[in-house]
Formats: sequence, structure tokens, C-alpha cells
Amino acid sequence: TQLLEQSPQFLSIQEGENLTVYCNSSSVFSSLQWYRQEPGEGPVLLVTVVTGGEVKKLKRLTFQFGDARKDSSLHITAAQPGDTGLYLCAGVGANSKLTFGKGITLSVRP
Amino acid sequence: NAGVTQTPKFQVLKTGQSMTLQCAQDMNHEYMSWYRQDPGMGLRLIHYSVGAGITDQGEVPNGYNVSRSTTEDFPLRLLSAAPSQTSVYFCASRLDWSTDTQYFGPGTRLTVL
Repeated sequence: TQLLEQSPQFLSIQEGENLTVYCNSSSVFSSLQWYRQEPGEGPVLLVTVVTGGEVKKLKRLTFQFGDARKDSSLHITAAQPGDTGLYLCAGVGANSKLTFGKGITLSVRP
Repeated sequence: NAGVTQTPKFQVLKTGQSMTLQCAQDMNHEYMSWYRQDPGMGLRLIHYSVGAGITDQGEVPNGYNVSRSTTEDFPLRLLSAAPSQTSVYFCASRLDWSTDTQYFGPGTRLTVL
């Protein structure tokens, strides 16, 4: 079974701070996805990273895929209250099935 | 497009009752999935379908049945509900097995007493 470990589990920061969160696995995935989920809603796909070492930017969010395609990081610059939510990473494995991590709960205080 | 829709939004069942969670998408997507989300457990795959008439088991299929008679609909059936099935259920779809972008429905919160 492929497992994804996300850290930290919870993070509470002040508006304007920078942060980095992680998604780690002992398995290699063909690609890795990051989702954001708000209370009472389904997850929304933010990005898919495919190539080892790949870096993708989405406004103030920077996503990186590890060289060995086993881990990923998400960096948020100057966090805003609108960034508050549950951040999920998911590895795409055999038969294109997704394995999700347990998520990181981020709270950005005004 | 309505995207992925799920009904009902909330449901309370008694142990042993049966019910069907509905999921529909209007994007002509071939690949559809059902997940459950529990606190501290993340999203776990229950069943998935790569096209009409084709379904397969995911990580936690026990206690659930699915069928895919049309491209649009992918209902999830609980034959005899148990308290362990208390969870939030999400349906998701994507164009086909080779595409990355997956769209989730708004979820069904199920409580089994």
C-alpha cells in the first residue's frame, strides 16, 4: 500500500507570513496532485506535478515535486485569510488510482 | 454545466437500513469514483468506474455496492448500514483514466445510528 504522509497536520499563522508544508512517501508516483478543501465542500484541484524536480507556481503558491518523485512541498508566500482550508496531496499510482494523504489544516489569522 | 452533483446533502440512517447515495455528472466523463472522508484518515477510495458497465473495488469496498448503467450516473448503495459507515462521502469524475483533472461533488454527510 502506497502511503502519503503530510506535515505538519495543523498550522495556524498570521496573515502575511510565509509557510511551507510537505507531502512525503516511500513510493514513487507517476504524478502528484495538491487539492484545497473548504468546510462543507469537495476538494478542488490546485495543481498536478509530473516531472521530478518540477516547480509550478499558482499566484502566491509554489509547488515542487521531488527529484525522485516521492515527495512534494507547497510554499505559500504572504498568506492571506482566504488561504485557510484543508490542503490534501494525492499520488497518482497504478491504474491512475489516487492515494490521498490525511491533509494539512491551515488557518490564517487576520 | 452543473459539474458533479450529489444527493442527498445530509442523511441519517438506523443500523441495518439500506440507502443509495446518488451521483451524477454532465461533463461526459468516463472515469468516476466514490471516496469516504473520515477525520484523521484523509480520503479513501471505495469503488471506481472507468466507463459505463465497468466498475472495480478501491481501498475500502466492503459494505458498499456500485453499478454504472449510464455515463452520467454512478450510485453508491449501502445494503445494511453500520455505524462504521458514518462519514462524508464524495463522488468525483474525470474525463478518462489518463487525465489528471478530477472534479469532486459537494459531498453527502451520512450518520448511522
